[in-house]
Amino acid sequence: GQNIDQPTEMTATEGAIVQINCTYQTSGFNGLFWYQQHAGEAPTFLSYNVLDGLEEKGRFSSFLSRSKGYSYLLLKELQMKDSASYLCAVWDSNYQLIWGAGTKLIIKP
Amino acid sequence: ETGVTQTPRHLVMGMTNKKSLKCEQHLGHNAMYWYKQSAKKPLELMFVYSLEERVENNSVPSRFSPECPNSSHLFLHLHTLQPEDSALYLCASSPAAGTTDTQYFGPGTRLTVL
Repeated sequence: GQNIDQPTEMTATEGAIVQINCTYQTSGFNGLFWYQQHAGEAPTFLSYNVLDGLEEKGRFSSFLSRSKGYSYLLLKELQMKDSASYLCAVWDSNYQLIWGAGTKLIIKP
Repeated sequence: ETGVTQTPRHLVMGMTNKKSLKCEQHLGHNAMYWYKQSAKKPLELMFVYSLEERVENNSVPSRFSPECPNSSHLFLHLHTLQPEDSALYLCASSPAAGTTDTQYFGPGTRLTVL
């Protein structure tokens, strides 16, 4: 079966750096999304990786290794507003979007 | 209004009630989706519409009935639900179905079935 694994919950300190990992086992690969979802709100698009390597976008960066079935989301200079759930999702070869259960990130002062 | 909107934001209903969830997208997209989000579980795709035609139905119980009158509006009609149907129901849209286009989500309807 198809599966995406991410840690259920992580805690980090304001101003620090945190890395949220995502590993996937899917039938083929056509790209990987990261979304941010604040409690009670819509998931919002953060990044899309289809080629190996690091994509940087301000304080957020996303990395992909297709050979390892692995991605991470790196958040720098953490702010309290970064407290949210982070969802990893992969397009498989049939263009089905497979979702992880999300990682709840708690930022402490 | 911009983006994807959903109403109501919160809904409490009994198992014998009939209610409808509404979604509207203002992005000019051709594909719309219904998802179910339960605590600590991955998003579950329920239905996909492309240009008002249903293109996917992922073994969803018949007590959930979708309707897509045009490419901007999507409804989810609910009847005789069960308590385990309590969840956040998310609507999303994208430029086209069956592609790797980014999906844009509405804020969801928090449904509680008593």
